[in-house]
Amino acid sequence: SAVISQKPSRDICQRGTSLTIQCQVDSQVTMMFWYRQQPGQSLTLIATANQGSEATYESGFVIDKFPISRPNLTFSTLTVSNMSPEDSSIYLCSVRAGATYEQYFGPGTRLTVT
Amino acid sequence: AQSVTQLGSHVSVSEGALVLLRCNYSSSVPPYLFWYVQYPNQGLQLLLKYTSAATLVKGINGFEAEFKKSETSFHLTKPSAHMSDAAEYFCAVSDRGYSSASKIIFGSGTRLSIRP
Repeated sequence: SAVISQKPSRDICQRGTSLTIQCQVDSQVTMMFWYRQQPGQSLTLIATANQGSEATYESGFVIDKFPISRPNLTFSTLTVSNMSPEDSSIYLCSVRAGATYEQYFGPGTRLTVT
Repeated sequence: AQSVTQLGSHVSVSEGALVLLRCNYSSSVPPYLFWYVQYPNQGLQLLLKYTSAATLVKGINGFEAEFKKSETSFHLTKPSAHMSDAAEYFCAVSDRGYSSASKIIFGSGTRLSIRP
């Protein structure tokens, strides 16, 4: 298994600003994922972040809006840029660990944009 | 493309009653299926997974799920509901089966409520 922490756990931000969310894992992992969970909705994959390469974004998500860094095998950041109220969501970091390809999730960052 | 459909966005059962949460999948490769649980204001926790071994999969907290290929189903059950089971439950499928390059696709979720 993997233990994942995220910072901040929640934040309230002004429209037009940016927020960087940090994800730290207690072991080295190859694949990290960022998901968005809008209020009352399921999880939508934003991008896959592999160390040493550019993140791969899903349809509907672009690097200018959600830049991702992956400097090493235990850490990643997701930035939500030029925020609007529609960006109010829970953002979850996830990693794949172990030989069974299980995905583990962080506690999430609850973002409110006013 | 792989997908899952959860039938019923909200299920309510009495404490002690059977819990049945329905999930049907669509997969062009042998499916790799999951059930996750999300308690209020928390992240997701893996309940159980199916990887083509036993068709009846036992998970944590007394939950189990049965893989039925003929019905393309992977329903989640628990014989006796407890108040602590109240949460959101997500069925999910790997987009490339059992592969290191896969990513998980989630269903829409089912909110389980427990009546005293």
